[in-house]
Amino acid sequence: QVQLQESGPGLVKPSETLSLTCTVSGGSINSYYWSWIRQPPGKGLEWIGYIFYSGSTNYNPSLKSRVTISVDTSKNQFSLKLTSVTAADTAVYYCARGGGKLLYGGWFDPWGQGTLVTVSS
Amino acid sequence: DIQLTQSPSFLSASVGDRVTITCRASQGISSYLAWYQQKPGKAPKLLIYAASTFQIGVPSRFSGSGSGTEFTLTISSLQPEDFATYYCQQLNSYPITFGQGTRLEIK
Repeated sequence: QVQLQESGPGLVKPSETLSLTCTVSGGSINSYYWSWIRQPPGKGLEWIGYIFYSGSTNYNPSLKSRVTISVDTSKNQFSLKLTSVTAADTAVYYCARGGGKLLYGGWFDPWGQGTLVTVSS
Repeated sequence: DIQLTQSPSFLSASVGDRVTITCRASQGISSYLAWYQQKPGKAPKLLIYAASTFQIGVPSRFSGSGSGTEFTLTISSLQPEDFATYYCQQLNSYPITFGQGTRLEIK
């Protein structure tokens, strides 16, 4: 079955750029929406944005000015960049399939295991 | 943004109990609602989508209902593995939003 795996640095300095990659295995990245979602320690879930395999994107307005999501279909990967990070961006970052407004296909499933990114000097 | 408010935020119950969690949307979202279960240190798991459709493999003791602004997740007979945090999520309009979570603990 399809599996997702996040990768990237676990520690980022304030004001720098957080960069994560999600590798999709067991299936193709084509024809689907792919999202990034984060969860600060002990808190709830926040959707960051999605990318369609063709490259179209939709970002949460609360993060839009700092977020870029890109896709590399040849590698079956999609990536997240979040600029000018602060301590408030410390969270577990998840990648997941889904996010398009499709009543029977837009939901988040499956998810990666998540990766903790800490913003600290 | 559409706000999703779950109630209760915390629930203490016993194995075998029937429990219901409610999710209220700040505006109508038709049936664009899902429920997820999250255990400590794990990613959320999709249980129910389109308000009442089971994800493959989800036990039949879980059920969802509702449309518009009020939705419920019911667990008919709690099992030990059901103690977790539950989140609702809407997909009717962007940005996608989640409820604040309901933590279900063993009494």
